[in-house]
Amino acid sequence: KAGVTQTPRYLIKTRGQQVTLSCSPISGHRSVSWYQQTPGQGLQFLFEYFSETQRNKGNFPGRFSGRQFSNSRSEMNVSTLELGDSALYLCASSFQQGLEPYTEAFFGQGTRLTVV
Amino acid sequence: AQTVTQSQPEMSVQEAETVTLSCTYDTSESDYYLFWYKQPPSRQMILVIRQEAYKQQNATENRFSVNFQKAAKSFSLKISDSQLGDAAMYFCAYIGAGNNRKLIWGLGTSLAVNP
Repeated sequence: KAGVTQTPRYLIKTRGQQVTLSCSPISGHRSVSWYQQTPGQGLQFLFEYFSETQRNKGNFPGRFSGRQFSNSRSEMNVSTLELGDSALYLCASSFQQGLEPYTEAFFGQGTRLTVV
Repeated sequence: AQTVTQSQPEMSVQEAETVTLSCTYDTSESDYYLFWYKQPPSRQMILVIRQEAYKQQNATENRFSVNFQKAAKSFSLKISDSQLGDAAMYFCAYIGAGNNRKLIWGLGTSLAVNP
């Protein structure tokens, strides 16, 4: 079974530009979550999608948005990039559907975004 | 709001020895899950062990075990017979059992294993 795939692995963008990151979950997983990892702030939750609907959202500005497609693939978009957006962006998928006991989240290898 | 604290930014252990990584958390929820994740240089986050708050018995996975003290809100990870491949960043994480299903993370502990 293929794991969670994130593309691209590395990205360099200029301040003010916008960027789109992609995440393909494990087959059969309908929940996709995104996290930002920086040395100073650690890992912070961005949002979670389930069946094309945003189910949970973290405390990030509106420049950060996402969506999920009918095949469960998810994209994350950051507009008007700032230097502080430089980070590793991790995507995780799980079989989690409702409020049943938590099921494991499987992570991709992340996209390293550098804003210059 | 829930918080997770890892007070040891760096730790080191000799190969074949035992090391314990500390984690404390704060929550007002009664039902939740706690995890230890490992992040090697490849950056892929790997689940090491999980603990359900309602279970009194400490979780164990081969060489990895936890000491879960619910009243003290403490969740430490013990690695026995340390191996070179255990070298990585270790993150403690929390998730509530309610509607807000998001992982809350500690800042991590960098573990070095010396041959």
